[in-house]
Amino acid sequence: GESVGLHLPTLSVQEGDNSIINCAYSNSASDYFIWYKQESGKGPQFIIDIRSNMDKRQGQRVTVLLNKTVKHLSLQIAATQPGDSAVYFCAENTSMDSNYQLIWGAGTKLIIKP
Amino acid sequence: DADVTQTPRNRITKTGKRIMLECSQTKGHDRMYWYRQDPGLGLRLIYYSFDVKDINKGEISDGYSVSRQAQAKFSLSLESAIPNQTALYFCATSDPRGTGGTDTQYFGPGTRLTVL
Repeated sequence: GESVGLHLPTLSVQEGDNSIINCAYSNSASDYFIWYKQESGKGPQFIIDIRSNMDKRQGQRVTVLLNKTVKHLSLQIAATQPGDSAVYFCAENTSMDSNYQLIWGAGTKLIIKP
Repeated sequence: DADVTQTPRNRITKTGKRIMLECSQTKGHDRMYWYRQDPGLGLRLIYYSFDVKDINKGEISDGYSVSRQAQAKFSLSLESAIPNQTALYFCATSDPRGTGGTDTQYFGPGTRLTVL
């Protein structure tokens, strides 16, 4: 999940459809994962998180799925709305690391088609 | 009022000038961070501080310095600005003590810096 030097992949979704944004993480010791949403001209905003002892967690219109076997994380947005247009970042954290630093993914730009 | 504020929000400067970006937070968090974001790219960590006496380099600290004046304040300086430092700069805070060891970061609105 290195962000340096990578340009953002883009996902285009029809308004009303479900969106699935994927993220691969690299550190098998990571045990906490977060999704952030960054709207144009704003700072990243926390959406939802999940610990490694869970496979799935649901929020309001959002679901995060974690597959530790293949080190894959996904964010599902139900009934995508124009306000969901943003760049979505995943981040991972290792509680065994005393510094508790986040490792950021590259981000995915979500575009909503009317 | 916003929990994490940044000043200025926009700044245009010339090559060689010294610039300071300021960040203040009212969340009571010990940890503060400075990130840089270039167009179409993700976040890159410049510096971070886990308390007032602690300063650490991130992955792209060259050309930058920081000062942690108080728990609530963390400033980023460009000693001699150059055009490739033109970017969006974000400050963030976190506190794992109250969140079971996790490190959710809360971001300011960003400072758009242009170096001519």
